[in-house]
Amino acid sequence: KAGVTQTPRYLIKTRGQQVTLSCSPISGHRSVSWYQQTPGQGLQFLFEYFSETQRNKGNFPGRFSGRQFSNSRSEMNVSTLELGDSALYLCASSLHPRGQDRFNYEQYFGPGTRLTVT
Amino acid sequence: KNQVEQSPQSLIILEGKNCTLQCNYTVSPFSNLRWYKQDTGRGPVSLTIMTFSENTKSNGRYTATLDADTKQSSLHITASQLSDSASYICVVSPLNTNAGKSTFGDGTTLTVKP
Repeated sequence: KAGVTQTPRYLIKTRGQQVTLSCSPISGHRSVSWYQQTPGQGLQFLFEYFSETQRNKGNFPGRFSGRQFSNSRSEMNVSTLELGDSALYLCASSLHPRGQDRFNYEQYFGPGTRLTVT
Repeated sequence: KNQVEQSPQSLIILEGKNCTLQCNYTVSPFSNLRWYKQDTGRGPVSLTIMTFSENTKSNGRYTATLDADTKQSSLHITASQLSDSASYICVVSPLNTNAGKSTFGDGTTLTVKP
């Protein structure tokens, strides 16, 4: 079974531009979460989608948005890029199991998209 | 505010030696604690997941322990290999929540030298 894939792997953008990152979860996984990772802040949660609905959102400005499609693929968009948006953006997928294991599910991370804003 | 603190921040050991990484957390009530390994330039890979009722869990040469009373966890690596060089991240999730409410530690960077 193929793992989580993210495209593109590397991206260089200029301040003020906007960018769209894509994530394809593991086949059968319906939950997709996005994270930003920087050397200074570590891993920070952006948002989580399940069945095309945003279930949770982290403490990021409205410039960060996302969506999930009916095939569970997800995209995140960052508008009006700032230098501080330079980071590794990680996507993680999970099965979202039911029952008592609902909150102890396994998350599988993709390789990330390295975004550099100049 | 929920916090997860990892120590040491970085660690250098010789190949074949053992080491232990620490994770202290304040998250309460507590659902589960995860340890991830992240190689440079790659996404994190899960090593162990422990619920509050578990004391220890192993995954090959990796053994995680949990003391829910003192809110401490450790990750012990036995007979280290060069491929163990990576960042190790501790993640704690509150009870009855999903991915969005988890708190991530800043990680311990482990370097294994020949």
